[in-house]
Amino acid sequence: KNQVEQSPQSLIILEGKNCTLQCNYTVSPFSNLRWYKQDTGRGPVSLTIMTFSENTKSNGRYTATLDADTKQSSLHITASQLSDSASYICVVSDRGSTLGRLYFGRGTQLTVWP
Amino acid sequence: EADIYQTPRYLVIGTGKKITLECSQTMGHDKMYWYQQDPGMELHLIHYSYGVNSTEKGDLSSESTVSRIRTEHFPLTLESARPSHTSQYLCASSEGGSYNQPQHFGDGTRLSIL
Repeated sequence: KNQVEQSPQSLIILEGKNCTLQCNYTVSPFSNLRWYKQDTGRGPVSLTIMTFSENTKSNGRYTATLDADTKQSSLHITASQLSDSASYICVVSDRGSTLGRLYFGRGTQLTVWP
Repeated sequence: EADIYQTPRYLVIGTGKKITLECSQTMGHDKMYWYQQDPGMELHLIHYSYGVNSTEKGDLSSESTVSRIRTEHFPLTLESARPSHTSQYLCASSEGGSYNQPQHFGDGTRLSIL
């Protein structure tokens, strides 16, 4: 069964600290893995997209890694800011259809305290 | 700023009413999607479209219907709302032709059926 599991479910850190969010998936055949940020009351916003051949991609203070062999990804946030408080969603796309079906994780709820 | 707009942002309405949730995008994207999201849960695809006059049901069984008469417009209709329809509805779009294009989301409609 194709699944995407994220951990931890929630995380609280102090402003300025780093953190790492995890994503494990069983989706096959794999096409790409995406990380989205969803602020409360808003729609998700794309942070990174990684294909099979990419093992790291950065977007400002966000760095995503991908290990396609172990089917794991992580999202590292450096020098956290209050505005980083949001839900971070891992999404994996397969190549099993023209649509490229997306499998969504439930997200990690990150809270950054001052 | 996202170029995809959803209206209304919030809607509280009684059981049995007909509801139309609006979604418009100005990016000229061929693919459009409707998702349902409950708190703490993953997004579930309820409808998608490859282009004008193309609509398909998604993974989650839904009593809603959609239409795609114009590229930029993808409304979702509930003929007779029920309390079980209470949820957040997110519209998204993406460029066609590649699995590796990000989805652009609207900010959602939070629907409450009394």
